[in-house]
Amino acid sequence: DAGVTQSPTHLIKTRGQHVTLRCSPISGHKSVSWYQQVLGQGPQFIFQYYEKEERGRGNFPDRFSARQFPNYSSELNVNALLLGDSALYLCASSWRRSTDTQYFGPGTRLTVL
Amino acid sequence: GIQVEQSPPDLILQEGANSTLRCNFSDSVNNLQWFHQNPWGQLINLFYIPSGTKQNGRLSATTVATERYSLLYISSSQTTDSGVYFCAVERDGNNRLAFGKGNQVVVIP
Repeated sequence: DAGVTQSPTHLIKTRGQHVTLRCSPISGHKSVSWYQQVLGQGPQFIFQYYEKEERGRGNFPDRFSARQFPNYSSELNVNALLLGDSALYLCASSWRRSTDTQYFGPGTRLTVL
Repeated sequence: GIQVEQSPPDLILQEGANSTLRCNFSDSVNNLQWFHQNPWGQLINLFYIPSGTKQNGRLSATTVATERYSLLYISSSQTTDSGVYFCAVERDGNNRLAFGKGNQVVVIP
């Protein structure tokens, strides 16, 4: 079975622009979570979606939004990009909404100039 | 929120050496996972270990939940073991992982 996939792998944007990142979970997994990892730090939780509904949100501004589609894939949107949004964005999937092993995708590296 | 501290932050090993990485956490947890982040950024699952001991080849992990720590053992290290090792915990049954800052491991031939 394929693992978690993410696209694109790399992205360069300028301040003020908008970006959309995509994630496809492992087949059969219904939960998708998004994490942001800035250089030198561990990943930080942004969102969790389960059965197409937002089930959790981390301490991120409203410029960050996400959604989950009927096939359980997900998009993360970031508006009005700031330099500080430059990071590796990781998607994780799991079968259950609650405590479960999470599997991560390869990430999207976003650079904001 | 829950605090996760990993030590040592940096470790340089000679190939063939053994090492122990430690993860301390500030509250009881439902889930604890160890990951290896490769140079391209992918987080590779090593262990799901909220308690007890597990082994997978040259790697093993032990979590003592009552004392709020976990250990990752690397035996007979190889250059491919280089990278950052992360400990991540979840405490509220909500599947949100809180990560430590990682252990940067460099294995030299």
